[in-house]
Amino acid sequence: NAGVTQTPKFQVLKTGQSMTLQCAQDMNHNSMYWYRQDPGMGLRLIYYSASEGTTDKGEVPNGYNVSRLNKREFSLRLESAAPSQTSVYFCASSLQGAYGYTFGSGTRLTVV
Amino acid sequence: QQPVQSPQAVILREGEDAVINCSSSKALYSVHWYRQKHGEAPVFLMILLKGGEQKGHEKISASFNEKKQQSSLYLTASQLSYSGTYFCGTEITGGTSYGKLTFGQGTILTVHP
Repeated sequence: NAGVTQTPKFQVLKTGQSMTLQCAQDMNHNSMYWYRQDPGMGLRLIYYSASEGTTDKGEVPNGYNVSRLNKREFSLRLESAAPSQTSVYFCASSLQGAYGYTFGSGTRLTVV
Repeated sequence: QQPVQSPQAVILREGEDAVINCSSSKALYSVHWYRQKHGEAPVFLMILLKGGEQKGHEKISASFNEKKQQSSLYLTASQLSYSGTYFCGTEITGGTSYGKLTFGQGTILTVHP
């Protein structure tokens, strides 16, 4: 039972480059989320998808786009990476809002 | 809108108890609690829903005061494995916020032998 799988685990980008972070879950969860974690700031929501076909902005959406490809997959795209986007990114999923989240193992991204 | 956790850090010896608090300025639908070990993903501990009962296992439990929009996590007879950073996540009532969690800044718990 894989749970939530994120790829890649580590990535170094140059300023201005683009990349897509992949996330897939095999628990038949409806809702999926992208968070970033920075030291001392906890987890901040970037985007979320309450169900297949819908997406909505979180607290810090600027510089990011998302795609809910199907019920299993939710990708996060950085179109033009900036050093301020250096962070650890976590994907999470839940059955619905009133259930606990299952997090992926994270992607550590460094933008130089 | 970010909930406020206190204390920011706590150091215990094995067997001691601890309480971590989470406070919000918004009306809450639910409060989640997670634990994160260094370099790992957060792991779900429990959820407390508006109108629900206090939840928990034998040594880790939590309460939710709806009137004060506060939740507390109780760790009893701490073990070395309890060490980590504890986050509360809050979901506010109604509107477009339903289904989204806003996390506190975390409380670092260290348990020594």
